[in-house]
Amino acid sequence: DIQMTQSPSSLPASLGDRVTITCRPSQDIGIYIRWFQQKPGKSPRLMIYGATNLANGVPSRFSGSRSGSDYSLTINRLESEDMAIYYCLQHNDYPLTFGSGTKLEIK
Amino acid sequence: AVQVVESGGGLVQPKESLKISCAASGFTFSNAAMYWVRQAPGKGLEWVARIRTKPKKYATYYADSVKGRFTISRDDSKSMVYLQMDNLKTEDTAMYYCTAGYSGPFDYWGQGVMVTVSS
Repeated sequence: DIQMTQSPSSLPASLGDRVTITCRPSQDIGIYIRWFQQKPGKSPRLMIYGATNLANGVPSRFSGSRSGSDYSLTINRLESEDMAIYYCLQHNDYPLTFGSGTKLEIK
Repeated sequence: AVQVVESGGGLVQPKESLKISCAASGFTFSNAAMYWVRQAPGKGLEWVARIRTKPKKYATYYADSVKGRFTISRDDSKSMVYLQMDNLKTEDTAMYYCTAGYSGPFDYWGQGVMVTVSS
């Protein structure tokens, strides 16, 4: 199984900050990574697909990138509505596996 | 608008069975792979099962934790997907989400249905 090591697990930040969340897969997954946002009591929402593509309706302050074997989700100019838990997902191989989540909270 | 609505959750005892359902609309259901994802209380997301489309012979895939106990199925004529859960264990207690995938997994999500396994 492909393990997705996600960091940090908790990320205190201030409104207006730029933050980055990272996932490192245990083996090559190409561009087959997605990022999801989950707010308390809500279903997850697709934010990024194909490592770098913004899903429909997602604000342009969100972006995805890849550097070597590390994949990142970056949020520029943090807004209060961005406070949530973020998960990465690899779908290069079965079983599909998620990262353990990053809780983004106001400092 | 896309709608995915789960139903059928509840409280069951260990070793019992339960079948949860998912009704989808607002997209071409027959062209979408369908999935179940679960989330135990206070925990992260876990993929459970997948069913492909008719051209892909409705192939199914399962997480090791549920293989042999859970069965995913679909009825394209009704735009429905199901998860039959047998021999339930306390560790199956979770919110179960139905999700649809076009370009990849989990494009659209339902609001979830709670399944509690407890004696």
